[in-house]
Amino acid sequence: SQKIEQNSEALNIQEGKTATLTCNYTNYSPAYLQWYRQDPGRGPVFLLLIRENEKEKRKERLKVTFDTTLKQSLFHITASQPADSATYLCAPGPSFSGGYNKLIFGAGTRLAVHP
Amino acid sequence: EAQVTQNPRYLITVTGKKLTVTCSQNMNHEYMSWYRQDPGLGLRQIYYSMNVEVTDKGDVPEGYKVSRKEKRNFPLILESPSPNQTSLYFCASSTASGYTDTQYFGPGTRLTVL
Repeated sequence: SQKIEQNSEALNIQEGKTATLTCNYTNYSPAYLQWYRQDPGRGPVFLLLIRENEKEKRKERLKVTFDTTLKQSLFHITASQPADSATYLCAPGPSFSGGYNKLIFGAGTRLAVHP
Repeated sequence: EAQVTQNPRYLITVTGKKLTVTCSQNMNHEYMSWYRQDPGLGLRQIYYSMNVEVTDKGDVPEGYKVSRKEKRNFPLILESPSPNQTSLYFCASSTASGYTDTQYFGPGTRLTVL
């Protein structure tokens, strides 16, 4: 079955450093991959989408890579700030399940940026 | 402002007492879905709807019902709640493009079933 793995352990880094989060998937070939940010008790918020034919995507301090051979995406936050502390979810998609294109979400990695 | 709203935000109830969680979106999206989120398990889809009067089961539909009588509304119904349905629930909507499907999530409903 399709599986998405994100590091379940929290990532603790110092302010100003680059945070790198990993998303691995198995048993399917997504046409794109999305990253979301989720703050405690709130709904996820879309950040970035990268397509299978794109190696890298940037948005301000965010950078996402997508390696379809390794079946992996890396999410980088450069010059991290305490305000970047949150849980980050990856969602490779679409997954052809039940006849409909759906997103399957990873469980997320919690990032804590310390001053 | 484009948004997905859910009500109530917090609910404590007892086993067997029927409840409804409402969801509404103002973006004219065709696709709406319900997720539950539990620690370590991530977001799991309960039900989804491709458009008015078109609904289907997601990955964990047991114990839930939905309806889609209007495009903007997609209520989640628990006919006889049980303690294992204690969870954080999110409604989401998107355009049904089949290619990007960026999800817009509501603020969440924290449900406790005693």
